[in-house]
Amino acid sequence: QFALTQPASVSGSPGQSITISCTGTSSDVGHHDCVSWYQQYPGKAPKLMIYEVTNRPSGVSNRFSGSKSGNTASLTISGLQAEDEADYYCSSCSTSHSYVFGSGTKVTVL
Amino acid sequence: QVQLVQSGAEVKRPGASVKVSCKASGYSFSTYAIHWVRQAPGQRLEWMGWIFAGNGDTLYSPNFQGRVSFTRDTSAGTAYMELSSLMSDDTAVYYCARNIRGSTWCDYWGQGTLVTVSS
Repeated sequence: QFALTQPASVSGSPGQSITISCTGTSSDVGHHDCVSWYQQYPGKAPKLMIYEVTNRPSGVSNRFSGSKSGNTASLTISGLQAEDEADYYCSSCSTSHSYVFGSGTKVTVL
Repeated sequence: QVQLVQSGAEVKRPGASVKVSCKASGYSFSTYAIHWVRQAPGQRLEWMGWIFAGNGDTLYSPNFQGRVSFTRDTSAGTAYMELSSLMSDDTAVYYCARNIRGSTWCDYWGQGTLVTVSS
């Protein structure tokens, strides 16, 4: 299983918007609407931020939004805040009910 | 409230096995699956597989096929992950996470268990 491809790092100033991409194949990201996004602080467990490409769980800020086009999914964080500085991972279901995570993106708030 | 509480850190020799537990509370254990995910130091999340707590159905990642086993004890509300033939590359934090069957995301995660493999 190969990881989905994410940029290693993305940065932005407070108040700006940033977008993290997640590129897979027609067997995972492109084939199913099952992309999720997780936020992870150092030493902590991941936290679900987006599920099924565009849906936000209860309690997650509406500054976080997701989208997908073809084999690439994206997470956009608008109105960037200091607390958004963390690692972000995408995940997609794949063939035969298996899953794959992305390579991870470190978000830095300048 | 929903909680997944994992067992404590382990140190193992190469070639040994490790068994990590994940005790669930605050929800109906048998109606959810438990996924196992690991993260080597400074590395990405890696999906290992899942077990459906209701009937014990399992699916393992090909990367771990034959070396990992998931079990559960429904009376105790606890899921287990056993990894055998440990190598230094297996040093990682192992997470359990809840997933409602039929969905494609994990909404609650355990705190993680550090497994260190060292001679």
